[in-house]
Amino acid sequence: GQQVMQIPQYQHVQEGEDFTTYCNSSTTLSNIQWYKQRPGGHPVFLIQLVKSGEVKKQKRLTFQFGEAKKNSSLHITATQTTDVGTYFCAGKTGFQKLVFGTGTRLLVSP
Amino acid sequence: ETGVTQSPTHLIKTRGQQVTLRCSSQSGHNTVSWYQQALGQGPQFIFQYYREEENGRGNFPPRFSGLQFPNYSSELNVNALELDDSALYLCASSLGQVNTGELFFGEGSRLTVL
Repeated sequence: GQQVMQIPQYQHVQEGEDFTTYCNSSTTLSNIQWYKQRPGGHPVFLIQLVKSGEVKKQKRLTFQFGEAKKNSSLHITATQTTDVGTYFCAGKTGFQKLVFGTGTRLLVSP
Repeated sequence: ETGVTQSPTHLIKTRGQQVTLRCSSQSGHNTVSWYQQALGQGPQFIFQYYREEENGRGNFPPRFSGLQFPNYSSELNVNALELDDSALYLCASSLGQVNTGELFFGEGSRLTVL
């Protein structure tokens, strides 16, 4: 079945450093979504990418969808302590349901 | 706040027991998806209900079953509980049979099986 892997599993950065998480799917995706889950919380939607090569920005966050629509990345510029949490990508193939990635846990030290 | 509410928030059961978890979807949403999230893992899709019919199922055994009611609220039932069923159970509501937009998650029900 469809598998979605993320790397790294965990990253610890100093406040102000950049952070990137990578998402790779075993199959071509129709779209990809990104979610953030704070410790003890539930996943919260960040963004959806649909087009091949698409790039979207939300303030310090930059999201990319690969040309082959099998990979994606999330880059955070100048991290802040409020960025702490686990970031999940979630991919969808055709009429299949969203499959969540393994997640990248981000810890930011002040 | 997503407008999705789940109950109970926490519960403890023993092996072999049965559990029912409840979810009220966001107003106007007719689709409910259930996910199981084990500690340190990503959410795993259990099944989805659209207008009271099951509309897709993940790799979970038949002892995981569900219902959706006319008001689009939903229940997840798990029979013959096993230790590995200990997890956070997340309900997510959305609009439409085919997911084209975001999922709105509830706070989850944390189940511990002893």
